[in-house]
Amino acid sequence: QKEVEQNSGPLSVPEGAIASLNCTYSDRGSQSFFWYRQYSGKSPELIMSIYSNGDKEDGRFTAQLNKASQYVSLLIRDSQPSDSATYLCAVNFVANSGYALNFGKGTSLLVTP
Amino acid sequence: GAGVSQSPRYKVAKRGQDVALRCDPISGHVSLFWYQQALGQGPEFLTYFQNEAQLDKSGLPSDRFFAERPEGSVSTLKIQRTQQEDSAVYLCASSFRGLEYEQYFGPGTRLTVT
Repeated sequence: QKEVEQNSGPLSVPEGAIASLNCTYSDRGSQSFFWYRQYSGKSPELIMSIYSNGDKEDGRFTAQLNKASQYVSLLIRDSQPSDSATYLCAVNFVANSGYALNFGKGTSLLVTP
Repeated sequence: GAGVSQSPRYKVAKRGQDVALRCDPISGHVSLFWYQQALGQGPEFLTYFQNEAQLDKSGLPSDRFFAERPEGSVSTLKIQRTQQEDSAVYLCASSFRGLEYEQYFGPGTRLTVT
């Protein structure tokens, strides 16, 4: 069973704080990992991609990947109310030709002023 | 540049009707994906095209669902004899090449079957 697990939340953080979002996945052979942000009623928007172990930083966002633990996370520094959205973790699974991108159900983030 | 576009944005169909949903990917993007998203869930993979070739259709829920991309650009997802359980948002995404490249989503088509 291919699985991508995320806490549904809501995760509530005060403005200016660091938000930490976590994701685990079941396929040890996965190679590509993505974080998407989805505002209510909108489509997913790509925030970060990460392909190798370690950290990848882009502005206020840092993605962290640990393939041995099958764990990927997203840190949002200096959180803003505009960051309030659902964050989707997506992983490619090598089974079934590897084309399918598998999503978690998403974590709802609320940044309070 | 222009992103992925989808039409119509909203579609209401009576049960049993056929519907066709269109996706226009980012220019130059070889790969095109269709996903279905139910309320409160993450997108679920339906099918994948590389150019005009449909390489994976393992996610299509039934033989009522059919997708095509005849010229390797615009794609159409067709649902025959719609059922209430088909109500969802249908998302199209494209990427420059294969799965190792980032996928960019269109605005989606919200289908409601009454």
